[in-house]
Amino acid sequence: DAKTTQPTSMDCAEGRAANLPCNHSTISGNEYVYWYRQIHSQGPQYIIHGLKNNETNEMASLIITEDRKSSTLILPHATLRDTAVYYCIATYSGGGADGLTFGKGTHLIIQP
Amino acid sequence: EAGVAQSPRYKIIEKRQSVAFWCNPISGHATLYWYQQILGQGPKLLIQFQNNGVVDDSQLPKDRFSAERLKGVDSTLKIQPAKLEDSAVYLCASSGTGHIFYGYTFGSGTRLTVV
Repeated sequence: DAKTTQPTSMDCAEGRAANLPCNHSTISGNEYVYWYRQIHSQGPQYIIHGLKNNETNEMASLIITEDRKSSTLILPHATLRDTAVYYCIATYSGGGADGLTFGKGTHLIIQP
Repeated sequence: EAGVAQSPRYKIIEKRQSVAFWCNPISGHATLYWYQQILGQGPKLLIQFQNNGVVDDSQLPKDRFSAERLKGVDSTLKIQPAKLEDSAVYLCASSGTGHIFYGYTFGSGTRLTVV
């Protein structure tokens, strides 16, 4: 897995968009960018993933730069329930040994 | 669909004792993972199964940790003997065909405290 770098913590006001950056400058061409989050006392939860193009689902949007060296996870209207640790992972998941390598992630705190 | 089930939810043991954790993955998921999460850190992969075969156990401390998935469904992770540094949350995850599009599903974990 490519090394990823994320800020240790971030604050965001409730109702505003939360933008979480991730640097993955050594990502390989076949590695996807995955985002997971972990709410206190729960297991990680899949949010979204992408390869080259921007992606959007019901939870979030993922913006990947053209050179694929960085990405941003966007939670469009953050709520208090979005307070969690967010993990950015760059990995190839085509079968075989494909366990995820987690860093320390970004602790996002949504302020009321 | 039902999620990944893990038990027990909490366990406290003394050092040098043994302990076992159980995981039942989502029905039909062929791949099962065990992770260890020490407080303040991200989860660390211990072992990956594909059906009942081991795909990756490179980070499993084999002198004290063992895991099995005999019938390719549920799995057990054992620690014998436990050390203080084994205090952590043990997470189980599973994935099926198409996991590249849907990600892995994690259980809520077993919190182990070794005293």
